[in-house]
Amino acid sequence: AQSVTQPDIHITVSEGASLELRCNYSYGATPYLFWYVQSPGQGLQLLLKYFSGDTLVQGIKGFEAEFKRSQSSFNLRKPSVHWSDAAEYFCAVGASGNQFYFGTGTSLTVIP
Amino acid sequence: GAVVSQHPSWVICKSGTSVKIECRSLDFQATTMFWYRQFPKQSLMLMATSNEGSKATYEQGVEKDKFLINHASLTLSTLTVTSAHPEDSSFYICSAREQGRAKDTQYFGPGTRLTVL
Repeated sequence: AQSVTQPDIHITVSEGASLELRCNYSYGATPYLFWYVQSPGQGLQLLLKYFSGDTLVQGIKGFEAEFKRSQSSFNLRKPSVHWSDAAEYFCAVGASGNQFYFGTGTSLTVIP
Repeated sequence: GAVVSQHPSWVICKSGTSVKIECRSLDFQATTMFWYRQFPKQSLMLMATSNEGSKATYEQGVEKDKFLINHASLTLSTLTVTSAHPEDSSFYICSAREQGRAKDTQYFGPGTRLTVL
Protein backbone atom coordinates (compact mmCIF):
# COMPACT_ATOMS: atom_id res chain seq x y z
CA ALA A 1 0.00 0.00 0.00
CA GLN A 2 1.12 3.51 -0.74
CA SER A 3 1.95 5.71 2.20
CA VAL A 4 4.03 8.65 3.27
CA THR A 5 5.45 9.07 6.75
CA GLN A 6 6.70 12.28 8.24
CA PRO A 7 8.04 11.15 11.62
CA ASP A 8 8.35 14.62 13.12
CA ILE A 9 5.04 16.26 13.94
CA HIS A 10 6.67 19.44 15.17
CA ILE A 11 10.20 20.84 14.94
CA THR A 12 11.64 23.95 16.55
CA VAL A 13 14.86 25.51 15.32
CA SER A 14 16.67 28.76 15.93
CA GLU A 15 16.91 31.29 13.16
CA GLY A 16 20.09 30.73 11.20
CA ALA A 17 20.34 27.08 12.17
CA SER A 18 20.18 24.25 9.67
CA LEU A 19 17.03 22.26 9.10
CA GLU A 20 16.18 18.76 8.01
CA LEU A 21 12.64 17.46 7.68
CA ARG A 22 12.24 13.75 7.23
CA CYS A 23 10.01 11.94 4.77
CA ASN A 24 9.76 8.21 4.15
CA TYR A 25 7.52 6.65 1.57
CA SER A 26 6.15 3.31 0.53
CA TYR A 27 5.20 3.08 -3.12
CA GLY A 28 5.02 0.17 -5.51
CA ALA A 29 6.07 1.98 -8.64
CA THR A 30 8.81 4.49 -9.36
CA PRO A 31 7.68 7.46 -7.31
CA TYR A 32 7.45 11.12 -8.05
CA LEU A 33 8.25 13.02 -4.86
CA PHE A 34 7.22 16.48 -3.77
CA TRP A 35 7.59 18.89 -0.89
CA TYR A 36 4.95 21.55 -0.31
CA VAL A 37 4.77 24.33 2.27
CA GLN A 38 1.58 25.73 3.76
CA SER A 39 1.29 28.95 5.72
CA PRO A 40 -1.67 29.30 8.11
CA GLY A 41 -4.96 29.61 6.28
CA GLN A 42 -3.29 29.30 2.90
CA GLY A 43 -3.03 26.72 0.17
CA LEU A 44 0.05 24.68 -0.59
CA GLN A 45 3.07 26.05 -2.39
CA LEU A 46 5.39 23.70 -4.26
CA LEU A 47 8.93 23.83 -2.91
CA LEU A 48 10.53 21.20 -5.09
CA LYS A 49 9.95 17.93 -6.87
CA TYR A 50 11.84 14.86 -7.96
CA PHE A 51 10.91 12.87 -11.03
CA SER A 52 14.20 11.30 -12.12
CA GLY A 53 17.88 12.06 -12.65
CA ASP A 54 20.05 13.81 -10.09
CA THR A 55 18.91 12.66 -6.67
CA LEU A 56 19.68 16.03 -5.08
CA VAL A 57 17.10 18.56 -6.16
CA GLN A 58 17.08 22.26 -5.55
CA GLY A 59 13.92 24.16 -4.85
CA ILE A 60 12.72 27.62 -4.08
CA LYS A 61 13.55 29.63 -0.98
CA GLY A 62 16.91 27.89 -0.57
CA PHE A 63 15.48 24.43 0.08
CA GLU A 64 16.89 21.21 -1.26
CA ALA A 65 15.95 17.56 -0.94
CA GLU A 66 17.75 14.30 -1.53
CA PHE A 67 16.14 11.16 -2.86
CA LYS A 68 17.59 7.98 -1.40
CA ARG A 69 16.01 4.95 -2.97
CA SER A 70 17.72 2.50 -0.62
CA GLN A 71 16.18 4.24 2.35
CA SER A 72 12.87 5.15 0.68
CA SER A 73 13.46 8.67 1.87
CA PHE A 74 13.16 12.18 0.49
CA ASN A 75 14.36 14.51 3.24
CA LEU A 76 14.09 18.27 2.95
CA ARG A 77 16.99 20.46 4.02
CA LYS A 78 17.90 24.09 4.38
CA PRO A 79 21.31 25.29 5.57
CA SER A 80 20.09 28.42 7.33
CA VAL A 81 16.50 28.89 8.42
CA HIS A 82 14.75 32.25 8.31
CA TRP A 83 11.87 33.31 10.54
CA SER A 84 9.63 33.40 7.47
CA ASP A 85 10.14 29.66 7.00
CA ALA A 86 7.83 28.93 9.92
CA ALA A 87 4.97 26.95 8.37
CA GLU A 88 3.59 23.46 7.83
CA TYR A 89 5.54 21.24 5.47
CA PHE A 90 4.04 18.33 3.57
CA CYS A 91 5.79 15.56 1.70
CA ALA A 92 3.83 13.88 -1.10
CA VAL A 93 4.37 10.92 -3.38
CA GLY A 94 2.70 10.00 -6.62
CA ALA A 95 3.34 8.52 -10.01
CA SER A 96 2.49 9.43 -13.56
CA GLY A 97 -1.25 9.90 -13.91
CA ASN A 98 -1.96 8.81 -10.36
CA GLN A 99 -3.18 10.61 -7.30
CA PHE A 100 -0.90 12.03 -4.64
CA TYR A 101 -0.44 10.64 -1.17
CA PHE A 102 0.42 13.18 1.48
CA GLY A 103 2.23 12.82 4.75
CA THR A 104 0.68 14.15 7.93
CA GLY A 105 2.87 17.22 7.85
CA THR A 106 5.61 18.72 10.00
CA SER A 107 5.03 22.00 11.74
CA LEU A 108 8.12 24.20 11.86
CA THR A 109 8.63 26.85 14.51
CA VAL A 110 11.55 29.25 14.18
CA ILE A 111 12.92 30.88 17.31
CA PRO A 112 14.46 34.35 16.85
CA GLY B 1 3.12 30.49 -14.04
CA ALA B 2 0.89 27.60 -12.86
CA VAL B 3 -1.45 29.67 -10.72
CA VAL B 4 -4.65 28.21 -9.30
CA SER B 5 -7.35 30.38 -7.78
CA GLN B 6 -10.32 29.54 -5.61
CA HIS B 7 -13.45 31.52 -4.96
CA PRO B 8 -14.65 32.35 -2.44
CA SER B 9 -11.75 32.35 -0.01
CA TRP B 10 -14.18 32.02 2.87
CA VAL B 11 -17.90 31.53 3.24
CA ILE B 12 -20.34 31.32 6.11
CA CYS B 13 -23.72 29.75 5.48
CA LYS B 14 -26.73 28.49 7.33
CA SER B 15 -27.33 24.79 7.85
CA GLY B 16 -29.35 23.31 4.99
CA THR B 17 -28.13 25.67 2.30
CA SER B 18 -25.84 24.82 -0.61
CA VAL B 19 -22.46 26.38 -1.27
CA LYS B 20 -20.50 26.41 -4.51
CA ILE B 21 -16.73 26.71 -4.58
CA GLU B 22 -14.86 27.46 -7.81
CA CYS B 23 -11.38 26.33 -8.72
CA ARG B 24 -9.66 27.89 -11.71
CA SER B 25 -6.33 27.33 -13.37
CA LEU B 26 -5.37 30.82 -14.48
CA ASP B 27 -2.48 30.32 -16.86
CA PHE B 28 -2.58 26.69 -17.88
CA GLN B 29 -5.03 24.02 -18.93
CA ALA B 30 -5.86 21.30 -16.47
CA THR B 31 -7.58 18.15 -17.62
CA THR B 32 -7.52 16.92 -14.06
CA MET B 33 -8.34 18.77 -10.89
CA PHE B 34 -8.46 17.44 -7.36
CA TRP B 35 -10.54 18.41 -4.36
CA TYR B 36 -9.15 18.00 -0.86
CA ARG B 37 -10.49 18.60 2.58
CA GLN B 38 -8.27 19.61 5.46
CA PHE B 39 -9.17 19.63 9.13
CA PRO B 40 -7.24 21.84 11.56
CA LYS B 41 -3.65 20.75 11.99
CA GLN B 42 -4.17 17.70 9.81
CA SER B 43 -3.06 16.62 6.39
CA LEU B 44 -5.04 16.84 3.18
CA MET B 45 -7.64 14.22 2.50
CA LEU B 46 -8.44 13.63 -1.14
CA MET B 47 -12.17 13.84 -1.72
CA ALA B 48 -12.44 13.40 -5.46
CA THR B 49 -10.66 13.59 -8.77
CA SER B 50 -12.31 15.78 -11.35
CA ASN B 51 -11.72 15.11 -15.04
CA GLU B 52 -12.79 17.58 -17.68
CA GLY B 53 -15.85 16.41 -19.54
CA SER B 54 -16.50 13.32 -17.44
CA LYS B 55 -17.84 12.33 -14.06
CA ALA B 56 -15.70 12.83 -11.02
CA THR B 57 -14.15 9.91 -9.20
CA TYR B 58 -14.89 10.00 -5.50
CA GLU B 59 -12.80 8.52 -2.74
CA GLN B 60 -14.27 5.92 -0.46
CA GLY B 61 -16.51 7.43 2.17
CA VAL B 62 -17.18 10.67 0.29
CA GLU B 63 -20.84 11.18 -0.54
CA LYS B 64 -21.11 12.03 -4.21
CA ASP B 65 -24.65 13.35 -3.82
CA LYS B 66 -23.53 15.73 -1.11
CA PHE B 67 -20.34 16.96 -2.74
CA LEU B 68 -21.21 17.66 -6.36
CA ILE B 69 -18.29 18.21 -8.68
CA ASN B 70 -18.44 19.66 -12.15
CA HIS B 71 -15.46 20.11 -14.45
CA ALA B 72 -16.98 21.80 -17.45
CA SER B 73 -13.85 23.27 -18.97
CA LEU B 74 -10.09 22.87 -18.96
CA THR B 75 -9.73 25.74 -16.52
CA LEU B 76 -12.68 25.43 -14.16
CA SER B 77 -13.93 22.89 -11.67
CA THR B 78 -16.65 23.52 -9.10
CA LEU B 79 -17.47 21.81 -5.84
CA THR B 80 -20.99 22.25 -4.50
CA VAL B 81 -21.67 21.27 -0.92
CA THR B 82 -25.37 20.51 -0.88
CA SER B 83 -27.54 20.83 2.22
CA ALA B 84 -24.54 21.82 4.27
CA HIS B 85 -24.37 20.94 7.95
CA PRO B 86 -21.97 22.08 10.67
CA GLU B 87 -19.89 18.92 10.28
CA ASP B 88 -19.12 20.02 6.72
CA SER B 89 -17.25 23.02 8.09
CA SER B 90 -13.69 22.66 6.91
CA PHE B 91 -10.93 24.01 4.71
CA TYR B 92 -11.41 22.90 1.12
CA ILE B 93 -8.45 23.01 -1.23
CA CYS B 94 -8.34 22.28 -4.92
CA SER B 95 -5.37 21.47 -7.07
CA ALA B 96 -4.84 21.23 -10.79
CA ARG B 97 -2.53 18.99 -12.72
CA GLU B 98 -0.79 20.84 -15.49
CA GLN B 99 -0.89 19.44 -18.99
CA GLY B 100 2.35 19.17 -20.87
CA ARG B 101 5.88 19.32 -19.58
CA ALA B 102 5.13 19.27 -15.88
CA LYS B 103 1.98 17.30 -16.21
CA ASP B 104 2.50 15.29 -13.05
CA THR B 105 2.83 18.26 -10.74
CA GLN B 106 -0.17 19.47 -8.82
CA TYR B 107 -0.57 23.16 -8.18
CA PHE B 108 -2.79 24.16 -5.31
CA GLY B 109 -5.32 26.88 -4.84
CA PRO B 110 -5.32 29.07 -1.73
CA GLY B 111 -8.21 27.17 -0.19
CA THR B 112 -11.76 28.01 0.88
CA ARG B 113 -12.77 28.15 4.51
CA LEU B 114 -16.37 26.95 4.90
CA THR B 115 -18.24 27.56 8.13
CA VAL B 116 -21.74 26.16 8.46
CA LEU B 117 -23.80 27.63 11.27
